Amino acid sequence: QVQLVESGGGVVQPGRSLRLSCAAYGFNFSNYAMHWVRQAPGKGLEWVAGVWYDGINIYYVDSVKGRFTISRDNSKNTLYLQMSSLRAEDTGVYYCARDPSRSSAHFDNWGQGTLVTVSS
Amino acid sequence: SYVLTQPPSVSVAPGQTAKITCGGNNIEIYTVHWLQQKPGQAPVLVMHYDSDRPSGIPKRFSGSNSGNTATLTISRVGAGDEADYYCQVWDSSDHHVVFGGGTKLTVL
Repeated sequence: QVQLVESGGGVVQPGRSLRLSCAAYGFNFSNYAMHWVRQAPGKGLEWVAGVWYDGINIYYVDSVKGRFTISRDNSKNTLYLQMSSLRAEDTGVYYCARDPSRSSAHFDNWGQGTLVTVSS
Repeated sequence: SYVLTQPPSVSVAPGQTAKITCGGNNIEIYTVHWLQQKPGQAPVLVMHYDSDRPSGIPKRFSGSNSGNTATLTISRVGAGDEADYYCQVWDSSDHHVVFGGGTKLTVL
């Protein structure tokens, strides 16, 4: 069955960097767009970034543009999020999610999430 | 950027019908998806393409989208339906995913 497993979260000081990974199992990874969605403690869902199946079309929420980079390695069935210049407001659980659509992005499978805490 | 507005909370008695709304300017031209999130768990897709139920989602869940409001309807509500519900669209004009703020469903 479909499984998404995130890793790489932890406690990091403001201004530092962190790389998240999401390993995908049970489906043809290269056929799907993939996204990162985060959730600050006690808050709602916030889309962070998405990369289309071909790795060419990439989009970000404005608050992370220039600081975060989403990428994928279809040979390793893995999605990445390189985060730099981290801020306290980047704290939260980061989920990777599979997008089955070519026209209306949405999320049919989610990982369990990895917690990122930005604090001095 | 496009904004989706949800009521913070909805309460319903067991066995009754819950309606969770998602407001947006002319939302009917967007395709709306709905997610359910229980405490400490990852979200689960419960409705996509306005009114299509993913595999495994009970028929008690239905969706609609008209005018400025999309609605997720849950009939015969039970304790297991208590969760936060989020609506979501893809805004193709600026290539962003937009979430509503979420609605906490409480079963009285």
